[in-house]
Amino acid sequence: DAGVTQSPTHLIKTRGQHVTLRCSPISGHKSVSWYQQVLGQGPQFIFQYYEKEERGRGNFPDRFSARQFPNYSSELNVNALLLGDSALYLCASSLVYGGYNEQFFGPGTRLTVL
Amino acid sequence: AQSVTQPDIHITVSEGASLELRCNYSYGATPYLFWYVQSPGQGLQLLLKYFSGDTLVQGIKGFEAEFKRSQSSFNLRKPSVHWSDAAEYFCALTTGGGNKLTFGTGTQLKVEL
Repeated sequence: DAGVTQSPTHLIKTRGQHVTLRCSPISGHKSVSWYQQVLGQGPQFIFQYYEKEERGRGNFPDRFSARQFPNYSSELNVNALLLGDSALYLCASSLVYGGYNEQFFGPGTRLTVL
Repeated sequence: AQSVTQPDIHITVSEGASLELRCNYSYGATPYLFWYVQSPGQGLQLLLKYFSGDTLVQGIKGFEAEFKRSQSSFNLRKPSVHWSDAAEYFCALTTGGGNKLTFGTGTQLKVEL
């Protein structure tokens, strides 16, 4: 079975631009979470979606937004890119929301902002 | 708010030597605790988890971790390290209710042959 997939693998943007990152969860998983991992740090929680609704949001500015589609795939959008947005963006999927459900991580999208 | 501290940024061990990676957490109750491993170009892979019960938990690849409530610690151990264990290791916690994970800053493990 395919794991969590993310696209693109790498991306280079300039300051002020907009970016869209995509994630396909494991088949049957209905919850998707997004994390930002800046070089030298651990991943930081950005969003969690379940059944197309936002269920959690981390301490990120409104430039960051996301959505989940009926097939449970998800997009992370970042507007007005800053140099500090350069990071590895990880997507994780889990079966459901609530209690504990193991999260399975994708390989990430490496975003470089110049 | 909860937090995770990994005091060692880098650790170097010889192949075949034992390994212990430290993790301390801050939370008012007992959280769910995890260790993940990240190899270059890879996502995070779950090594083991602790929810409750036996404080010594076994994971994949020969790793184990011990939960010590009195020390708010969840240290990862392996009796004999292999060169393929070189990677970055993250300790994380969640308090349930949605799976949001709080990660430490990671420990980079180098294995000398």
